Amino acid sequence: QVHLVQSGAEVRKPGSSVKVSCKASGYTFTEHYVHWVRQAPGQGLEWMGRINPVDGGTSYAQVSQGRVILTRDESANSVYLDLTNLQSDDTAVYFCARGMGDGYSFYFDSWGQGTVVTVSS
Amino acid sequence: ILMTQSPVTLSVSPGTRATLSCKASQRIGSNLAWYQKKPGQAPRLLISSASTRATGVPSRFTGSGSGTEFTLTINSLQPEDFATYYCQYYEAGTFGQGTRLEI
Repeated sequence: QVHLVQSGAEVRKPGSSVKVSCKASGYTFTEHYVHWVRQAPGQGLEWMGRINPVDGGTSYAQVSQGRVILTRDESANSVYLDLTNLQSDDTAVYFCARGMGDGYSFYFDSWGQGTVVTVSS
Repeated sequence: ILMTQSPVTLSVSPGTRATLSCKASQRIGSNLAWYQKKPGQAPRLLISSASTRATGVPSRFTGSGSGTEFTLTINSLQPEDFATYYCQYYEAGTFGQGTRLEI
């Protein structure tokens, strides 16, 4: 059974950074891209980017460019979301999700439980 | 490509049918998925390729459409179906803004 388990809630001050982890199990890690999707309070779902677990290749949504870094550790079956220069509107729940399809045309068949990131002074 | 869902909120009674709409600003074939999202939970895949039910999804959930117009129909609404539903176009992970299904 596919499982994506994320790290716990974080509270950060504006201008700081946060790293969220997502550990995959129940499938061959290198066979699926892993994506990140966020949901701000009262808002909808927003795709942030994805990483190829084979070579670490990444693609980011325009809104993520420059402040989001996705990495992976194949030995740990884990991917990581680094969000830098945090602002109050980065307060959201961040989900990792397993992609079906390729790096450009995809949907999400399994999701992590979500990580709440709160940015507040 | 923009995905527009309607209505924003749909009020229905248990046991009845709900029809949710998702329209694409350009033709997208059948490259569409539907998700159910409840507060405090992760989204759940319901439908892929516009009409293929995901594993374990009850048969009361039906996806249809192609091109620019898509529909998610939920028959005989159960209490656990009241949630927000999102459509998603496969490319660039583009989501619609969601339809909240309320009692």
